[in-house]
Amino acid sequence: GEDVEQSLFLSVREGDSSVINCTYTDSSSTYLYWYKQEPGAGLQLLTYIFSNMDMKQDQRLTVLLNKKDKHLSLRIADTQTGDSAIYFCAESFSGGYQKVTFGIGTKLQVIP
Amino acid sequence: SAVISQKPSRDICQRGTSLTIQCQVDSQVTMMFWYRQQPGQSLTLIATANQGSEATYESGFVIDKFPISRPNLTFSTLTVSNMSPEDSSIYLCSVAGGVTDTQYFGPGTRLTVL
Repeated sequence: GEDVEQSLFLSVREGDSSVINCTYTDSSSTYLYWYKQEPGAGLQLLTYIFSNMDMKQDQRLTVLLNKKDKHLSLRIADTQTGDSAIYFCAESFSGGYQKVTFGIGTKLQVIP
Repeated sequence: SAVISQKPSRDICQRGTSLTIQCQVDSQVTMMFWYRQQPGQSLTLIATANQGSEATYESGFVIDKFPISRPNLTFSTLTVSNMSPEDSSIYLCSVAGGVTDTQYFGPGTRLTVL
């Protein structure tokens, strides 16, 4: 069955790098996502990676995928206080056309 | 990406009543979905809203409790019927297709049932 797991909490100092980790169980997943949810707000799609890729970089964000271990990570360089939010790892089989399965979310706290 | 709005943004309701949540997109999209996010929890898919046909519900969710409409390619509604405090959640719609093949989410409707 589908399952996405991630740690609940991460605390980093402003200016440091943050690394949020995620594992998933469905080997047929083709899209792997990172969404951001700020307090009282909806979900913002940060980035996504196809399962045939190892890495994707987008400005301060780097996504690494280890398909063999079904491990996904999100690195945020030079973390800012505005990055404080809950980050959801998610996966789907066929992009947006089917159900997206979410992890429980990692709350990132950035200490000034 | 598509611009998605939801109404209402939040509401406080009495148990036993029903609330209809609207989701509007600024472009035509193939797929619309409704998710629930219970307090401190992740998102769970309630149903897929199909244009011109009945919604497809996930296990644990039924049409009598969560009737859905999808009259056209830019609009959908979710009704939470006969509410109880356990229905207190954030309800989010998402869309895919048209200009995007990934799912983008609306701002959510925060529902509190007393």
